Amino acid sequence: QVQLQESGPGLVKPSQTLSLTCTVSGDSFSSGAYYWSWIRQHPGKGLEWIGFIHYSGSTYYESSLKSRVTISIDTSKNQFSLKLTSVTAADTAVYYCARVNSGLDAWGQGILVTVSS
Amino acid sequence: DIQMTQSPSSLSASVGDRVTITCRASQGIRNYLAWYQQKPGKVPKLLIYAASTLQSGVPSRFSGSGSGTDFTLTISSLQPEDVATYYCQKYIGASWAFGQGTKVEI
Repeated sequence: QVQLQESGPGLVKPSQTLSLTCTVSGDSFSSGAYYWSWIRQHPGKGLEWIGFIHYSGSTYYESSLKSRVTISIDTSKNQFSLKLTSVTAADTAVYYCARVNSGLDAWGQGILVTVSS
Repeated sequence: DIQMTQSPSSLSASVGDRVTITCRASQGIRNYLAWYQQKPGKVPKLLIYAASTLQSGVPSRFSGSGSGTDFTLTISSLQPEDVATYYCQKYIGASWAFGQGTKVEI
């Protein structure tokens, strides 16, 4: 049973970089069979796909965020990470990591990140 | 980028009612469509993938249909525990957009 857990600062100052890590437990990470994704949800709003990464390192990003987003992977630690640069209050959201398997079939619990000075 | 449009944005129905939610893609996406359920304060849950395949453990009152640009999620007999917001998502191409969500109330 795969489990995902987001971690990182819950508060980020405007113009700084938001950095989150997702730790994956279970053997699906090392199998190389899956893509791994980040999604966010603004308070009281819908889901927004951010991007995903394959075990090999290939990435795809939502076009509106592409200039500010980097998703990376550390296979030795069973982790993948999200960096979002030049954040503003509009980036305040719950950030989820998830496994891609014909849709997003396993999700972390989510982490609220607030952008505020 | 392909846009996903859901309708209605919200609905209210009675227990036992048949409920239908539609999702339209701005371009054809074959059957690369998933449906999610998000209960208040909870993590989204995958209900259906490949437009019509029920995820393991999901009650059979949920069903999905469609291909190309028009898709439907149906709850055959609405139950109190189905109160949630439902999202469609395409998973083909470079951008995996979600629909804006449909809030289902009783």
